[in-house]
Amino acid sequence: EAGVAQSPRYKIIEKRQSVAFWCNPISGHATLYWYQQILGQGPKLLIQFQNNGVVDDSQLPKDRFSAERLKGVDSTLKIQPAKLEDSAVYLCASSPFRPGRGGNTEAFFGQGTRLTVV
Amino acid sequence: AQSVTQLDSQVPVFEEAPVELRCNYSSSVSVYLFWYVQYPNQGLQLLLKYLSGSTLVESINGFEAEFNKSQTSFHLRKPSVHISDTAEYFCAVSPIQNNAGGTSYGKLTFGQGTILTVHP
Repeated sequence: EAGVAQSPRYKIIEKRQSVAFWCNPISGHATLYWYQQILGQGPKLLIQFQNNGVVDDSQLPKDRFSAERLKGVDSTLKIQPAKLEDSAVYLCASSPFRPGRGGNTEAFFGQGTRLTVV
Repeated sequence: AQSVTQLDSQVPVFEEAPVELRCNYSSSVSVYLFWYVQYPNQGLQLLLKYLSGSTLVESINGFEAEFNKSQTSFHLRKPSVHISDTAEYFCAVSPIQNNAGGTSYGKLTFGQGTILTVHP
């Protein structure tokens, strides 16, 4: 089974530029997450999708970050304009959705995109 | 809201020695508990999880963790470490929730990570 795919793996941009990251979740996984991992910290959830709808975006800096999941499959995360403090690894994860409790709905993570803003 | 504190940022040990990585959490609701591992240049991988039942859970590579509800802890232990265990370990929690009739525990709050370095 193919894992969560992310691209690009690395990106270097200047501050105030725009950048976009792409994620292809595991086939059939209804739930998709974007996390931000700043160096020396644990990942922080930015946004959660259920199919193509947003479940939780309370920690997404909406003045500069946006995300979409068209057709409930692939997702893109965009930053416009980027700031120095956005330098981080951006992780995408997906999990299946099982009605009722007790289903195994572990989250599977991609390798991430490392963004450096200079 | 949830928070997770990993009490040690770095833990150096010698090969075949025992190790304990400490994790405490705070939450106003019941949570599931997890340990993830991140090997150099690789993505996060689930090491073990506590959902319910026995408070002692084990991984396939010899790690174990015990859920202590009264102390709100979920410490990770291994009786004898190998060089290959060198990695960063993250403790995480997920609220027990029911989204539109289903459950999904990828909505994780992570600790800041513990770098385990095993020396020969």
